[in-house]
Amino acid sequence: GAGVSQSPRYKVAKRGQDVALRCDPISGHVSLFWYQQALGQGPEFLTYFQNEAQLDKSGLPSDRFFAERPEGSVSTLKIQRTQQEDSAVYLCASSSGFERQFFGPGTRLTVL
Amino acid sequence: QQPVQSPQAVILREGEDAVINCSSSKALYSVHWYRQKHGEAPVFLMILLKGGEQKGHEKISASFNEKKQQSSLYLTASQLSYSGTYFCGTDDFGNEKLTFGTGTRLTIIP
Repeated sequence: GAGVSQSPRYKVAKRGQDVALRCDPISGHVSLFWYQQALGQGPEFLTYFQNEAQLDKSGLPSDRFFAERPEGSVSTLKIQRTQQEDSAVYLCASSSGFERQFFGPGTRLTVL
Repeated sequence: QQPVQSPQAVILREGEDAVINCSSSKALYSVHWYRQKHGEAPVFLMILLKGGEQKGHEKISASFNEKKQQSSLYLTASQLSYSGTYFCGTDDFGNEKLTFGTGTRLTIIP
């Protein structure tokens, strides 16, 4: 594809609901990253995949957060029982491996 | 720990030069620089690798001092399109995991 795409672009959830955020990386990119960006802050690392293997999930804030990339391409970030502090922009990025990371437009999550 | 950037914010007139610094408390494998405009995704500017040379394009260049664990981004003859927030991202272990800095908001006025 032309770039990294994410869906939905905007998501409003009631506190306690589960949400699923999708990332379509650039075709052929081995590495895929999820970041959380709060208003006025830089992106914060959540988790990282190389192909289908989740190599690092040290940035996931709690066990309510879960990410997968079952076939080594599309990835989903799932947040269970959303809380207000989960409100942020969730960015996905991909790379061909130890190269520049290409970012998607992000999903803005608002938890009411 | 998050890399510290300085200045936090700067306002320049079109055509002026700017330097943005990124300082880490850890030894670094590489430093990545990104620019982000409001409501948009971060856009890659350049990577500097440990042991590598200073990199740059015509008006945007950067340096990496491994000993001091610092990197600087140089913007020459700034254009209106340079406005945005600049982030450095540091890779401490060579495993692609980036820790982003505190950000520098750059505003270019005509």
